[in-house]
Amino acid sequence: GAVVSQHPSWVICKSGTSVKIECRSLDFQATTMFWYRQFPKQSLMLMATSNEGSKATYEQGVEKDKFLINHASLTLSTLTVTSAHPEDSSFYICSARGLAGGKDTQYFGPGTRLTVL
Amino acid sequence: QKEVEQDPGPLSVPEGAIVSLNCTYSNSAFQYFMWYRQYSRKGPELLMYTYSSGNKEDGRFTAQVDKSSKYISLFIRDSQPSDSATYLCAMNRRIQGAQKLVFGQGTRLTINP
Repeated sequence: GAVVSQHPSWVICKSGTSVKIECRSLDFQATTMFWYRQFPKQSLMLMATSNEGSKATYEQGVEKDKFLINHASLTLSTLTVTSAHPEDSSFYICSARGLAGGKDTQYFGPGTRLTVL
Repeated sequence: QKEVEQDPGPLSVPEGAIVSLNCTYSNSAFQYFMWYRQYSRKGPELLMYTYSSGNKEDGRFTAQVDKSSKYISLFIRDSQPSDSATYLCAMNRRIQGAQKLVFGQGTRLTINP
């Protein structure tokens, strides 16, 4: 299946610092990338959708100034959590949509666990 | 009412049993239906992808879609302990001009050796 990578897989930071998470589609070009957040034992919550070269579309209730998304190319998107606080601690998962293996669907990265102290 | 309903479980069955996981949905605009498997602390992995009513088989997994009843199922035959994971159904439709996945809550499955 298609491969989506995320880096880092795990990060711990101090409150007030910013953290950048990278998401790459390794073997296909992603027309759209998505960022999700997942709390323990809960389903994925869509935070924002981004198309290459354009501004991200944020879901209701997600602060665009806090969660900065850059989609610079068809294979790379970044999520920056600015001025992180303990309540931002969560599992962040990116997803890339594109045509891979004949299927137009979404493939997910392995996730990034963020812990803010 | 949620667009996609999925029993969160947990569901626990003995090794070798047939597992049935289900989702219902309310919006007939959904076009594609997927099942993802998510292991603890990992991203979801696409298991099955279907777009029409009927059955689709892949190894020990069978995905079933009944559009008239707005009901989809995933069957796992000869279940193994390694199948223990959370299974998420997902459906694809256009929302405000963009294709978006809508997920079920996920069912936590444990296969006991």
